[in-house]
Amino acid sequence: DQQVKQNSPSLSVQEGRISILNCDYTNSMFDYFLWYKKYPAEGPTFLISISSIKDKNEDGRFTVFLNKSAKHLSLHIVPSQPGDSAVYFCAAAGSQGNLIFGKGTKLSVKP
Amino acid sequence: DAGITQSPRHKVTETGTPVTLRCHQTENHRYMYWYRQDPGHGLRLIHYSYGVKDTDKGEVSDGYSVSRSKTEDFLLTLESATSSQTSVYFCATLGGDRYNEQFFGPGTRLTVL
Repeated sequence: DQQVKQNSPSLSVQEGRISILNCDYTNSMFDYFLWYKKYPAEGPTFLISISSIKDKNEDGRFTVFLNKSAKHLSLHIVPSQPGDSAVYFCAAAGSQGNLIFGKGTKLSVKP
Repeated sequence: DAGITQSPRHKVTETGTPVTLRCHQTENHRYMYWYRQDPGHGLRLIHYSYGVKDTDKGEVSDGYSVSRSKTEDFLLTLESATSSQTSVYFCATLGGDRYNEQFFGPGTRLTVL
């Protein structure tokens, strides 16, 4: 059973519009969440994170929102750019620094 | 960039042969991880290490073993490769300024025929 779920395998957005990527988790003990971005033939790279003591964290065009009661987080990208086209992984921090990843959402930003 | 390299970057092998993948880091990070990435499964943890000679199993450890004799090197071994182990393998280290941030290597694409 998946502890971290990304239910949308893909998302297509027009350049300049908002991209919203969603993530749900089942374990209420998770207290830190991260988003990673992955281009083809490269390793994932860290994008943004959020602690469970916050409900929002912003970094430039990227904002992550956390709703603990719903066990849901979302990544907003505004405005979306073609270079944002990639696979985005949501991850929750477990014990020993381990990360539990969702299956990923492939974002396509069309010019 | 945590100075992580993986070798080989690509490998094709036959069922039943042993395979060793190497991860090398230059940042002296204590924790190291091996993941596999498969379509429809995302990234799944195979094994991890929390120090020299200290390792533990992850979610999908069956058929894999690891060794860490030096801080900078973490080896993943498939004792007898099977077609189900065809995958892209990523090494990662834990470090940096952000809590729980892992840095990933470029990956090794392994094909088992």
